[in-house]
Amino acid sequence: AQSVTQPDIHITVSEGASLELRCNYSYGATPYLFWYVQSPGQGLQLLLKYFSGDTLVQGIKGFEAEFKRSQSSFNLRKPSVHWSDAAEYFCAVSGGYQKVTFGTGTKLQVIP
Amino acid sequence: DGGITQSPKYLFRKEGQNVTLSCEQNLNHDAMYWYRQDPGQGLRLIYYSQIVNDFQKGDIAEGYSVSREKKESFPLTVTSAQKNPTAFYLCASSILGGHPDTQYFGPGTRLTVL
Repeated sequence: AQSVTQPDIHITVSEGASLELRCNYSYGATPYLFWYVQSPGQGLQLLLKYFSGDTLVQGIKGFEAEFKRSQSSFNLRKPSVHWSDAAEYFCAVSGGYQKVTFGTGTKLQVIP
Repeated sequence: DGGITQSPKYLFRKEGQNVTLSCEQNLNHDAMYWYRQDPGQGLRLIYYSQIVNDFQKGDIAEGYSVSREKKESFPLTVTSAQKNPTAFYLCASSILGGHPDTQYFGPGTRLTVL
């Protein structure tokens, strides 16, 4: 069965600092991987996705993620965090055909 | 603008009452989904539907029911059999055969059972 682990429940960074959110997945074949962001009381917005090809994926709002098959990881990064990035971030994995498994999320707090 | 709408945004009900959450999409997507979100548990799949008049149970379907009479609509009923219905409910949609699956989400409905 596919699964996703986001080991950090809560992360605090200073505005302007770099950010890395960790995501590890379990899936038997080549996975499809996603990062979503959720502001409080809102739905999820897709930040980026990896299907195949270049393992470094660019997304919206200046985010990027790197797929590392050897480490079963798909970590999300941003070089300089803005206060508006404070939200909850979800990693997800799919093997196709509608079954998507989400991680438990990482809450990001940005301090001035 | 194309998108997914969920109504109402907040819903309060007394224990023992059934309640129906609305989900409508104008993205012309074939597949629709309902998720439940609780703090610290991520999203759990309740039901999904790939075509009109057909739907499948997800991981936590007990105490819930759905219908899919129109492509655009996928209402979720939370029945009195659901032991702990207070949660945030999210509806999503995707293109069938849009492989891999990119799901697009509505704004959610927060249900509180008093």
